[in-house]
Amino acid sequence: AQSVTQLDSHVSVSEGTPVLLRCNYSSSYSPSLFWYVQHPNKGLQLLLKYTSAATLVKGINGFEAEFKKSETSFHLTKPSAHMSDAAEYFCVVSDGEKTSYDKVIFGPGTSLSVIP
Amino acid sequence: DAGVTQSPTHLIKTRGQHVTLRCSPISGHKSVSWYQQVLGQGPQFIFQYYEKEERGRGNFPDRFSARQFPNYSSELNVNALLLGDSALYLCASSLGTEAYEQYFGPGTRLTVT
Repeated sequence: AQSVTQLDSHVSVSEGTPVLLRCNYSSSYSPSLFWYVQHPNKGLQLLLKYTSAATLVKGINGFEAEFKKSETSFHLTKPSAHMSDAAEYFCVVSDGEKTSYDKVIFGPGTSLSVIP
Repeated sequence: DAGVTQSPTHLIKTRGQHVTLRCSPISGHKSVSWYQQVLGQGPQFIFQYYEKEERGRGNFPDRFSARQFPNYSSELNVNALLLGDSALYLCASSLGTEAYEQYFGPGTRLTVT
């Protein structure tokens, strides 16, 4: 069975400084991993996905994540935070690219605040 | 192009009542899934429908049911509402049956008093 842990429930950064949102996963299979962002009163938006291709994945809005199998991690980073990045971020694991929906597990979320 | 739409945006119900939530997928998408997001938690999978057939069900009681219509829109029904059903209900659509890439709607905020 899969599981996902987001190590920080809340992260606060200053505008223009780097962002690091941490995610660790557990999976019995070669996992697919995703990061979604949720702005207030908006639906979840896919930021990036890892599906067994390149381990460094680039997403939208300058975000990227690196799949590290030895550390079972998939941390999300951005070199320079923008005010519009303030939102809730979810790390998601599934047991492979072609999986059923009940095998897609969302983490509890990390709330990112950006200080001007 | 329009994204996934959900109605209503907000809803307040009392315990024991019934509620119906609606979702319209992105044009061309044949799969609709439903998630419950309790405050402070990540979304939890409830149902997936593809071509009007149930293809997946999460760990939710029988009070929860859903259906998909010929135009691929979907309804989520919850009977005998409990206080614990208060949550944001998200609908997502995708082209096929895999959960590879879903597009989420803004959700319906249900409050049960």
